[in-house]
Amino acid sequence: KQEVTQIPAALSVPEGENLVLNCSFTDSAIYNLQWFRQDPGKGLTSLLLIQSSQREQTSGRLNASLDKSSGRSTLYIAASQPGDSATYLCAVGAAGKSTFGDGTTLTVKP
Amino acid sequence: DTEVTQTPKHLVMGMTNKKSLKCEQHMGHRAMYWYKQKAKKPPELMFVYSYEKLSINESVPSRFSPECPNSSLLNLHLHALQPEDSALYLCASSQAPGRAAFFGQGTRLTVV
Repeated sequence: KQEVTQIPAALSVPEGENLVLNCSFTDSAIYNLQWFRQDPGKGLTSLLLIQSSQREQTSGRLNASLDKSSGRSTLYIAASQPGDSATYLCAVGAAGKSTFGDGTTLTVKP
Repeated sequence: DTEVTQTPKHLVMGMTNKKSLKCEQHMGHRAMYWYKQKAKKPPELMFVYSYEKLSINESVPSRFSPECPNSSLLNLHLHALQPEDSALYLCASSQAPGRAAFFGQGTRLTVV
């Protein structure tokens, strides 16, 4: 059974700081890994998708990497802004479904 | 159109009521999903439909009954729910099972 862990559970940083969120998974037989953002009480917004054959994806200030062999992914956020405050979830796609981590709640202070 | 649309956004129902949640996508995706999310927890998979057939049921109680009338629509019929079923119910779709998922904004369900 796939298990997905996200560290840290919560993170508070001052505006402008660069930061890294971590996601690890136990079964490397995956199709993809997807990073989502969720604002309180809202649905999930897809940020980045990395296919199993890829090593990284970039979108604006976001960069996600994937190391399948070690079962790890990181989400790098550059020059953080208060608007980045949200919960960030990683989801591993395999065996017909996605398995989510518990998320990292990020607070960026002005 | 890259949206997954869920209706209603909010629903309050009594324990003896019957109601339905609706989900629609027009991206040509052939996999659709229902997730349940409690506060401060990740989404938990309930059902997966692949090519309009139920492919995964994660041991969900029978008071939740999914239906996929066509490739664009997914319903979740609710009957005799319990207060602990109160949660955010999320619908998602993808090109195929396990592929990149697009989520709707959810239905906030409160059972009284």
